[in-house]
Amino acid sequence: QSALTQPPSASGSPGQSVAISCTGTSGDVGAYDSVSWYQQHPGKAPKLMIYEVNKRPSGVPDRFSGSKSGNTASLTVSGLQAEDEADYYCSSYAGSNHIYVFGSGTTVTVL
Amino acid sequence: EVQLVESGGGLVQPGGSLRLSCAASGFTLSDYWMHWARQAPGKGLVWVSHIKGDGTSLGYADSVKGRFTISRDNAKNMLYLQMNSLRVEDTAVYFCGRGGVTASLDYWGQGALVTVSS
Repeated sequence: QSALTQPPSASGSPGQSVAISCTGTSGDVGAYDSVSWYQQHPGKAPKLMIYEVNKRPSGVPDRFSGSKSGNTASLTVSGLQAEDEADYYCSSYAGSNHIYVFGSGTTVTVL
Repeated sequence: EVQLVESGGGLVQPGGSLRLSCAASGFTLSDYWMHWARQAPGKGLVWVSHIKGDGTSLGYADSVKGRFTISRDNAKNMLYLQMNSLRVEDTAVYFCGRGGVTASLDYWGQGALVTVSS
């Protein structure tokens, strides 16, 4: 099972918005509304930011939003803040054989 | 407060074995699917395995199938990953995670480093 495709990097100035894409196939992202997004700071554990495509866990700022169209999901971070600088990974359920797949990861830099 | 704490990592030779443990607290372990994921140095996350709350359903990534075994002891609030026939490419930080809503991992441990090298 190949990793979902994400751009290696994205950047924006404080207060701006940045969008990260996550492209899969009709067997994973396109087939299930089970896309999640994780934030990972260097040397730390990942943190769940979005689940079920566009839902935010308690405590996650509403600056983080998710969407999906066909085989591509997206994470948008609005009103960028310095603490948003991190690696972001998408994931999706991929069926009973391949089960779960993560994205290749995107490093977000706040300029 | 939900806490997951991994242990058992270390240095092992190719072909060797290692058992990772994940101590869970702050929630009823038997109510949740649990997962293992890994991250090679400087690389991205990779899902490894999962197990249903009552242990009746398991799943593995193709890269570890037949070599790794996931198990749990709900009475002891513990999750395990037995890793056999280890390869250099298994070198990674291994995270345990709690299965959340619809295929998400809503809590993660801090990770345990496994280094496979001669």
